[in-house]
Amino acid sequence: DIQMTQSPSTLSASVGDRVTITCRASQNIGRWLAWYQQKPGKAPNLLIYKASSLESGVPSRFSGSGSGTEFTLTISSLQPDDFATYYCHQYNTFWTFGQGTKVEIK
Amino acid sequence: QVQLQESGPGLVKPSETLSLTCSVSGVSMNRYSWFWLRQPAGKGLECIGHISSSGTTNLNPSLKSRVTMSVDTSKNQFSMRLTSVTAADTALYYCARAQWDLSVDLTNFYYTDVWGTGTTVTVSS
Repeated sequence: DIQMTQSPSTLSASVGDRVTITCRASQNIGRWLAWYQQKPGKAPNLLIYKASSLESGVPSRFSGSGSGTEFTLTISSLQPDDFATYYCHQYNTFWTFGQGTKVEIK
Repeated sequence: QVQLQESGPGLVKPSETLSLTCSVSGVSMNRYSWFWLRQPAGKGLECIGHISSSGTTNLNPSLKSRVTMSVDTSKNQFSMRLTSVTAADTALYYCARAQWDLSVDLTNFYYTDVWGTGTTVTVSS
């Protein structure tokens, strides 16, 4: 199993802040990584695929980077709609998710 | 607009079999492959498995002995069965469409792009 570890688990931030979430893979996954946003009671929503490709319709304040074992999701200027839980997801070998990062209001 | 909708019993008794169906609309099922995933309340996401439009499956090793998946493109549906359920199988179950990336050696790598709304399954006597 490829283990995905996100940090931090919880992040307190204010509207307008630049936010960065890190995801580490237990082995090399190339660039086969996606990021999802999930709000309470809703299904996850795809933000980023192939580490840095922005899904159609997703605001450009979201960006992804990284390769191999270390990846980041950045929100350049946090908006009220962005308070949610974020998951990284590797699809190199089977499919596993990080444990999630909850972005909450400071 | 692609839509997926899970259906199945909300309550299953321990040791029995859970059966779920995902109904797909707005897209030809033959063009894509499909996922089942689950999320226990307040916890993270787990992939149960992936099924191609031709019925080839790739199942979570931890569930492989208890899971079967099938696809019926003529009905625009795909399904999963989980046998010998326990309380640990209580979760919100999602179906999702698989999108793909192509590597330089022409290998497909699949990720989910469109999800259903989920259906809650409780295992309890």
